[in-house]
Amino acid sequence: SQKIEQNSEALNIQEGKTATLTCNYTNYSPAYLQWYRQDPGRGPVFLLLIRENEKEKRKERLKVTFDTTLKQSLFHITASQPADSATYLCALETGYSTLTFGKGTMLLVSP
Amino acid sequence: EAQVTQNPRYLITVTGKKLTVTCSQNMNHEYMSWYRQDPGLGLRQIYYSMNVEVTDKGDVPEGYKVSRKEKRNFPLILESPSPNQTSLYFCASSLRSGLAYEQYFGPGTRLTVT
Repeated sequence: SQKIEQNSEALNIQEGKTATLTCNYTNYSPAYLQWYRQDPGRGPVFLLLIRENEKEKRKERLKVTFDTTLKQSLFHITASQPADSATYLCALETGYSTLTFGKGTMLLVSP
Repeated sequence: EAQVTQNPRYLITVTGKKLTVTCSQNMNHEYMSWYRQDPGLGLRQIYYSMNVEVTDKGDVPEGYKVSRKEKRNFPLILESPSPNQTSLYFCASSLRSGLAYEQYFGPGTRLTVT
């Protein structure tokens, strides 16, 4: 069955550093992959979408890469700020109109 | 303002007492879905709807029902709630099905079944 793995442990970094989060998947070849941010008790908020034929996508301080050979997406936040502290989720389409989310990685940015 | 709304936001109920959680979107989206989120398990899709009168099961549909009589509304029905349905529920919508379109999530409904 489809398996999506994200960094299971919380990621602690210092303000100003680059945070890198990983999303690995197996048994599927998604045409798209998405990243979301979720704050405690709130609904996920869409951040970026990347297509299989795109190697990299950027939006302000965010960058996503998509390596379909490695079956991996990396999510980078440059010049991180305490306000970036949240849980970040990746999502794949794993069946006909069925979406599967990873369990998320909690990012903690210290001042 | 474009949004997905859910009601109620918080609900405590007893085993077996039927309940409905409403979901509404004002963006004329075709695709709507329900998720539950549990610690250690992440977001799991319960049901989805590709358009009016078209619904299908997600990964964890047991114990739930849905209907899509109008494009904007997608209620989640628990006919006989049980304690293992205690969870945080999210409704989401997107322009169309598939991950080519971003999902808009509602604020969540925290359900406790005793």
